[in-house]
Amino acid sequence: NAGVTQTPKFRVLKTGQSMTLLCAQDMNHEYMYWYRQDPGMGLRLIHYSVGEGTTAKGEVPDGYNVSRLKKQNFLLGLESAAPSQTSVYFCASSDRGRTDTQYFGPGTRLTVL
Amino acid sequence: EDQVTQSPEALRLQEGESSSLNCSYTVSGLRGLFWYRQDPGKGPEFLFTLYSAGEEKEKERLKATLTKKESFLHITAPKPEDSATYLCAVQAQGSQGNLIFGKGTKLSVKP
Repeated sequence: NAGVTQTPKFRVLKTGQSMTLLCAQDMNHEYMYWYRQDPGMGLRLIHYSVGEGTTAKGEVPDGYNVSRLKKQNFLLGLESAAPSQTSVYFCASSDRGRTDTQYFGPGTRLTVL
Repeated sequence: EDQVTQSPEALRLQEGESSSLNCSYTVSGLRGLFWYRQDPGKGPEFLFTLYSAGEEKEKERLKATLTKKESFLHITAPKPEDSATYLCAVQAQGSQGNLIFGKGTKLSVKP
């Protein structure tokens, strides 16, 4: 039981490049979330999904897109990376309706030059 | 606006010196308050969920309490391995499970 895993762990992009971050969970959770963590800002919600095929915007969605084609996977895309998107990205999942507890992955450290 | 404020930003303790971390919140109906521990370079690790004022939960040297306006994380006789950043988050009634996080308290415990 791996819990929540994230790929890749580290990535460096040039401004304007695109990439996709992958989150996978093996807990059969319905809800999945993408957060970013910046120094002095705390964790902020980017997008979330309440089930397969659904997505919704969080607090800071601009510049990101997401997809949830399979229940266990949640993808975060950057179409045209900007230096302001340099951050640590965390994925989380929860089994809403039981404990609501969100379990987090290990994070992806992204640098945009 | 829903908001979470944690204090202090940083706390340095000697091993065995007990203390408390504060989490003040304003939310339009509290569904739950969560405490996480985060080690450098790692993802947040779940510690506790509190649902109603007066509720308390304990785990080893940690005890979390909840009132209508704030939560405390009490650390009794801390050890160096308790050093980490402690995050507080709230979930509002009617939300899609979204968490609103505070900025965290960085705890350092010196031997």
